[in-house]
Amino acid sequence: DAGVIQSPRHEVTEMGQEVTLRCKPISGHNSLFWYRQTMMRGLELLIYFNNNVPIDDSGMPEDRFSAKMPNASFSTLKIQPSEPRDSAVYFCASSLGTGGYTFGSGTRLTVV
Amino acid sequence: AQRVTQPEKLLSVFKGAPVELKCNYSYSGSPELFWYVQYSRQRLQLLLRHISRESIKGFTADLNKGETSFHLKKPFAQEEDSAMYYCALSGVGNEKLTFGTGTRLTIIP
Repeated sequence: DAGVIQSPRHEVTEMGQEVTLRCKPISGHNSLFWYRQTMMRGLELLIYFNNNVPIDDSGMPEDRFSAKMPNASFSTLKIQPSEPRDSAVYFCASSLGTGGYTFGSGTRLTVV
Repeated sequence: AQRVTQPEKLLSVFKGAPVELKCNYSYSGSPELFWYVQYSRQRLQLLLRHISRESIKGFTADLNKGETSFHLKKPFAQEEDSAMYYCALSGVGNEKLTFGTGTRLTIIP
């Protein structure tokens, strides 16, 4: 298995543009998590899905953020419109039960 | 609510010296505790979890419920231990992981 796959690795966009981050979890894992990592706040859970259903989205900063998981092998995190304060590394992780997460390599987002 | 506190943002230790990264938690139920490590420009990796009671890369961590702590320790630091370390907590049967803000460990040659 190639692990959790995220794309793109890097994204630079202008303020106001729509940004879509993608994640492919490990096959067979039934939970998927989106985290945001910044120097100031560390790792923050944005949203997580179990069996493709959003379970907890209390960490989504505001309505500009949305996430979907149309099937067990794909999820997207969308920011529309993007702002400079959204600049961060966004990680996707998947798990099977409570055995610990497997993280993707992350997407480094820069909004200018 | 569940909370993880890592009081040190930065920690520098000489090679060969002992290392201790502090982690305290707050949780009303039975916690599961984890340590994750992120080497430079790499993804986060699970280092160890308390229920395994194992030693990985020379690191150990003991859950102290009385002090609500899960400190990470290594008797002799190595240069390759330089990384970002995150302590994390979940409730038993709950997949949601809450992370601390992390400690950047630098091993001085």
